[in-house]
Amino acid sequence: NAGVMQNPRHLVRRRGQEARLRCSPMKGHSHVYWYRQLPEEGLKFMVYLQKENIIDESGMPKERFSAEFPKEGPSILRIQQVVRGDSAAYFCASSPLLAGDDTQYFGPGTRLTVL
Amino acid sequence: GEDVEQSLFLSVREGDSSVINCTYTDSSSTYLYWYKQEPGAGLQLLTYIFSNMDMKQDQRLTVLLNKKDKHLSLRIADTQTGDSAIYFCAERYNQGGKLIFGQGTELSVKP
Repeated sequence: NAGVMQNPRHLVRRRGQEARLRCSPMKGHSHVYWYRQLPEEGLKFMVYLQKENIIDESGMPKERFSAEFPKEGPSILRIQQVVRGDSAAYFCASSPLLAGDDTQYFGPGTRLTVL
Repeated sequence: GEDVEQSLFLSVREGDSSVINCTYTDSSSTYLYWYKQEPGAGLQLLTYIFSNMDMKQDQRLTVLLNKKDKHLSLRIADTQTGDSAIYFCAERYNQGGKLIFGQGTELSVKP
C-alpha cells in the first residue's frame, strides 16, 4: 500500500504566479488534511476535506487560498498570486476515519519557494 | 484555547535515554501523538496515546501522560544517532478533527 503522495516535491514560483499542490491519499482513505510549516515552526492546520466536501477550513487564509478534493483524482491546494510569505512546506495527510483508526498519515510535503 | 508547547532543543549521548516533553492546554483532547521529522522529509507517526491511558510502551518508546498537569512525554531508550530528528507532539479533540502541533523539539544525538 503506497503512502500519501504529494507532487511536486519542490515548486518555485515568482510573486504573482499561481501554485498548485497535489495530494493523493493512501488507498482506502477518503479524508484529507492540509497543513503548512513555516521555516523553524511547527505545522499549522489549514483545511480538512472529504470527497467533494470541505469539512473544516478554519485555518485557511481568507484570500488567495482554496482547496478541493474531487470525486476522482487528487486533492488540490491552490494558491493564487503568491507572495514571499507563502514560502513554506505544505503537508498533506490522509485518514481512513474508521472506528478505531482515524490516525493521520503524512506525505513527504511540497516545498514552495516564492522568488 | 489551543496551545501545545515543547522545548526546542535536546542533546544526548548515544546509548543514553532521551526524554522529550510537551504540555497542552485543552483538557478535552482525546488523542495525543508523537511524530518524527527528519531533515527535508515528511512526518512519520511514532506512537499515540488515548486520553484515558497513563502510559504506553512500544519497543524503545515510552509515552507518559499526566492529565492533571496536561503533560505528555516521550522517552527513547538507548538513543541512537539515527534518532536525531525533530519530534513533534500533537493533540486532537475529536474523531476526525485537526491536529494541533507543538513547535517541535530538535533531538541531537552525539556519538
